[in-house]
Amino acid sequence: QSALTQPASVSGSPGQSITISCTGTSSDVGGYNYVSWYQLHPGKAPKLMIYDVSKRPSGVSNRFSGSKSVNTASLTISGLQAEDEADYYCCSYAGSSTWVFGGGTKLTVL
Amino acid sequence: EVQLVESGGVVVQPGGSLRLSCAVSGFTFDDYAMHWVRQAPGKGLEWVSLISWDGGSTYYADSVKGRFTISRDNSKNSLYLQMNSLRAEDTALYYCAKAEYDILTGPDYWGQGTLVTVSS
Repeated sequence: QSALTQPASVSGSPGQSITISCTGTSSDVGGYNYVSWYQLHPGKAPKLMIYDVSKRPSGVSNRFSGSKSVNTASLTISGLQAEDEADYYCCSYAGSSTWVFGGGTKLTVL
Repeated sequence: EVQLVESGGVVVQPGGSLRLSCAVSGFTFDDYAMHWVRQAPGKGLEWVSLISWDGGSTYYADSVKGRFTISRDNSKNSLYLQMNSLRAEDTALYYCAKAEYDILTGPDYWGQGTLVTVSS
């Protein structure tokens, strides 16, 4: 159950697009289409932004999108806004009803 | 509105025990599996445990297997985490989270967490 690999930080200016990667193995990210992304603001409950690789929950802006290629999933945020500044975590099913998270990425909006 | 409220986090000595609770509302509790996830200070999220809708199936991270027990009381809309043989590395903010639906689905709605500190 090794953590998925995410960049520690990414940054972008308002209006730009950024992509956060999440690299695992064929036993987790590559083996299932069960990758989720969460947004964490300090002191608040984590918020689900993407599930099942690319599906958006009701109420989540269409500026957020997800994809996957082989063992790497990606979260793209387009039209960056100040309120997008937060920590983002990926999560993947890892078989046998266990789950694994990424190490987290701090997004800074410049 | 879906709400999850964790409680029970305190300072406990190494080797001690603690039971966390999570009270839920805003959805039909016994229709969904439930997760516990934790975040150590300055660290990332770590999946801890999962329980099926009826409590009949439970799953654990290797780091807590044999020490933690997840359970639920559907009559009380409550989820629990019994934590035994606590270690310093169990110090973390513990979140309960609703699964999207069954044990093959990840967390969707989360609480704000309860802080467990293991220290002498």
